[in-house]
Amino acid sequence: GAVVSQHPSRVICKSGTSVKIECRSLDFQATTMFWYRQFPKKSLMLMATSNEGSKATYEQGVEKDKFLINHASLTLSTLTVTSAHPEDSSFYICSAGQVRADTQYFGPGTRLTVL
Amino acid sequence: GESVGLHLPTLSVQEGDNSIINCAYSNSASDYFIWYKQESGKGPQFIIDIRSNMDKRQGQRVTVLLNKTVKHLSLQIAATQPGDSAVYFCAEASNFGNEKLTFGTGTRLTIIP
Repeated sequence: GAVVSQHPSRVICKSGTSVKIECRSLDFQATTMFWYRQFPKKSLMLMATSNEGSKATYEQGVEKDKFLINHASLTLSTLTVTSAHPEDSSFYICSAGQVRADTQYFGPGTRLTVL
Repeated sequence: GESVGLHLPTLSVQEGDNSIINCAYSNSASDYFIWYKQESGKGPQFIIDIRSNMDKRQGQRVTVLLNKTVKHLSLQIAATQPGDSAVYFCAEASNFGNEKLTFGTGTRLTIIP
């Protein structure tokens, strides 16, 4: 149980385009999902906390208009990188918390490369 | 500011030996700690967790020790196998983990055959 999926696993796009990444909890309901960014050989940096049915809470320094987050249901959150630039290239990982539980489960990550 | 860090960035261990990965934290308000394993190109995988009302917790081949006095967390892996090679992160949270996690810098564990 507690499986989290992400789609796509890998995406390459041109500079200026927008990319949408999906995060799904497959076998449980997640009231809260988190989006992280990870640079090579670095730790995970929290970008935002996504709550079902409400606006996401962004960490300091993360542009909410650039990284659009939507949490439309208890099993799906999406991250859209708008007007992507090469510096947005990174490994994006989501995690989901179970209702009334205390462990976050992570998705497999999405490798974004902006040319 | 508050931080979670690791003493050793890399660790090499002979297959079959035990390994210990250490982590220091500074946020005294943290009450929930988790160890994650991350293999190359994959998301973090939950290994074991511990709450602040405990000082030791055991899983299959893994043991987490928590020393609140010195704000220190460790992960012990017994009888290491090649599949244990990965980067290990400690993370801390308050309000039992459904709140934000703060990750440490990570330790790369390499198992030598």
